[in-house]
Amino acid sequence: GAVVSQHPSWVICKSGTSVKIECRSLDFQATTMFWYRQFPKQSLMLMATSNEGSKATYEQGVEKDKFLINHASLTLSTLTVTSAHPEDSSFYICSASNQGGSQPQHFGDGTRLSIL
Amino acid sequence: KQEVTQIPAALSVPEGENLVLNCSFTDSAIYNLQWFRQDPGKGLTSLLLIQSSQREQTSGRLNASLDKSSGRSTLYIAASQPGDSATYLCAVRPRRTNQFYFGTGTSLTVIP
Repeated sequence: GAVVSQHPSWVICKSGTSVKIECRSLDFQATTMFWYRQFPKQSLMLMATSNEGSKATYEQGVEKDKFLINHASLTLSTLTVTSAHPEDSSFYICSASNQGGSQPQHFGDGTRLSIL
Repeated sequence: KQEVTQIPAALSVPEGENLVLNCSFTDSAIYNLQWFRQDPGKGLTSLLLIQSSQREQTSGRLNASLDKSSGRSTLYIAASQPGDSATYLCAVRPRRTNQFYFGTGTSLTVIP
């Protein structure tokens, strides 16, 4: 069964709305989670690394004020797309792994965000 | 920066054939490499994880090999089935980091 749960799976909303996406590790604690973005027919691009209890680390070109990340507990990270616009429409996926990094990365089922 | 390339970009084979998917990466200083499957509109399912010290991993009809020195990995699928149709992604984790760099994927279609 799934070890990483992502919610919601699909969001359609109006331009200017803020959207929150949750990523939960179900049966392990994850001090680090990752948020990726995937455009149609393209591969995953890392947006940011979510660190429990501290600020997220953003990749170059990703606006931290646009994509707010909160990792308040060892099993939950949230990504909030603030004042979303049509160009933010994409597939967002989170991942996490057990401590040590020798374990495989487990991915959520993704969230398809459509901004009208 | 690590760059990951997958060839072919798309592959169509009749059911029952054996096939090989290729993944190459530019920096051999990796921690591990992972192969994933992605169905349309879905998240990623982990298939095989190869640590940098390993040469191959097997799971059922899948076999993944790793040649770190040449920066290559292959995913071998035996006796392909229509249910194998999906996009296959390889991802490399460099040393001293927890993040992954993904290839662009191979879209596989197995024709019944």
